[in-house]
Amino acid sequence: GAVVSQHPSWVICKSGTSVKIECRSLDFQATTMFWYRQFPKQSLMLMATSNEGSKATYEQGVEKDKFLINHASLTLSTLTVTSAHPEDSSFYICSARDSLPPGRASYGYTFGSGTRLTVV
Amino acid sequence: GENVEQHPSTLSVQEGDSAVIKCTYSDSASNYFPWYKQELGKGPQLIIDIRSNVGEKKDQRIAVTLNKTAKHFSLHITETQPEDSAVYFCAASISRSGGNKLVFGAGTILRVKS
Repeated sequence: GAVVSQHPSWVICKSGTSVKIECRSLDFQATTMFWYRQFPKQSLMLMATSNEGSKATYEQGVEKDKFLINHASLTLSTLTVTSAHPEDSSFYICSARDSLPPGRASYGYTFGSGTRLTVV
Repeated sequence: GENVEQHPSTLSVQEGDSAVIKCTYSDSASNYFPWYKQELGKGPQLIIDIRSNVGEKKDQRIAVTLNKTAKHFSLHITETQPEDSAVYFCAASISRSGGNKLVFGAGTILRVKS
């Protein structure tokens, strides 16, 4: 089945530094990838949607200059948290949706295993 | 606006009993409704999904029902086991310009007591 690999699984960084999180679709091509943030005991909140080769679409309230998203290939998207602060500490999860030929309906979303970011 | 409500927020059942989690959605154009299981520190795992042209779907101990008229869908887990304990999220696919996205419910903490 579809597998999405997300790295790192956890990271601790100092306040003011930047952190990059990678999301790879291992056995399928993903024209669209999604980035979510999840605070403890809360639901997943969509941050942005990225389509391969184009700029990401950010949800309302998400700072695009702080959360840089790159989706340069059909199998890789990256999220960079720039100038991280303690309030950015959270669980970040990516999701990829496969691309199928016309006529094959697919709404499948496969999730990565998440990245626990702690900013100290 | 786009909204998915999920109930209950917590659910405790005895091993072997059934568990039911319910969700309602606001966008009548939603056409895909997945259910995810999330264990502590891990990403969500799809357990079952249903599309708008189907009213019910079953996979062993797990079933999902959809009522498009009422805009609600439910997850049913029968013969619960301790390993079913986790957080369960419903979601609905929302259409928008540029593609679809998933909107999640708030989650249900399921505890199966042995």
